[in-house]
Amino acid sequence: SQTIHQWPATLVQPVGSPLSLECTVEGTSNPNLYWYRQAAGRGLQLLFYSVGIGQISSEVPQNLSASRPQDRQFILSSKKLLLSDSGFYLCAWSLQGSTDTQYFGPGTRLTVL
Amino acid sequence: AQSVSQHNHHVILSEAASLELGCNYSYGGTVNLFWYVQYPGQHLQLLLKYFSGDPLVKGIKGFEAEFIKSKFSFNLRKPSVQWSDTAEYFCAVQTGGFKTIFGAGTRLFVKA
Repeated sequence: SQTIHQWPATLVQPVGSPLSLECTVEGTSNPNLYWYRQAAGRGLQLLFYSVGIGQISSEVPQNLSASRPQDRQFILSSKKLLLSDSGFYLCAWSLQGSTDTQYFGPGTRLTVL
Repeated sequence: AQSVSQHNHHVILSEAASLELGCNYSYGGTVNLFWYVQYPGQHLQLLLKYFSGDPLVKGIKGFEAEFIKSKFSFNLRKPSVQWSDTAEYFCAVQTGGFKTIFGAGTRLFVKA
């Protein structure tokens, strides 16, 4: 069966510090991968998606970036965090070639102070 | 801009009460519609989905939703809720490609 992992689960970082959040998927090949952010009281906002290694599409311009160095690894990064980057970050996957059901990870709670 | 609106942010019901959570979206084209649920301590997961065909779709745990195209709505219903239905519910609309727009969520608390 497929599983999706995210780490860390929680993170507290100072403003201006770098960020690296990791997501890995097991049990499936060549998945579509997604990064979402959920701010307090708001829905999930799609940040990035990827249909293959090295292929990243950005939905929202901001100081975050994403990379997919391996088939089942998706990384969310920032060189300098802003206060507004605080939120709950979710990684998700769906079957290659399908935009059907997305399967979500446990999320990372990021607090920028 | 495309958006998804969930009418209630917090709902409190007693067990056996009926549930209806509202969801409206703003997009004039073809859509795929979803309800996701997040139970306490668990991952966000699919509850039900509509792509085409019968506008009344049934999901897990006795939930159903009705797509009314003329009203741009996809309301979630359950005739009799249980304490275990306590969760946060998200309506989502896929407008094409990979972009899925989520509502802000509704927190449901069911009193035993």
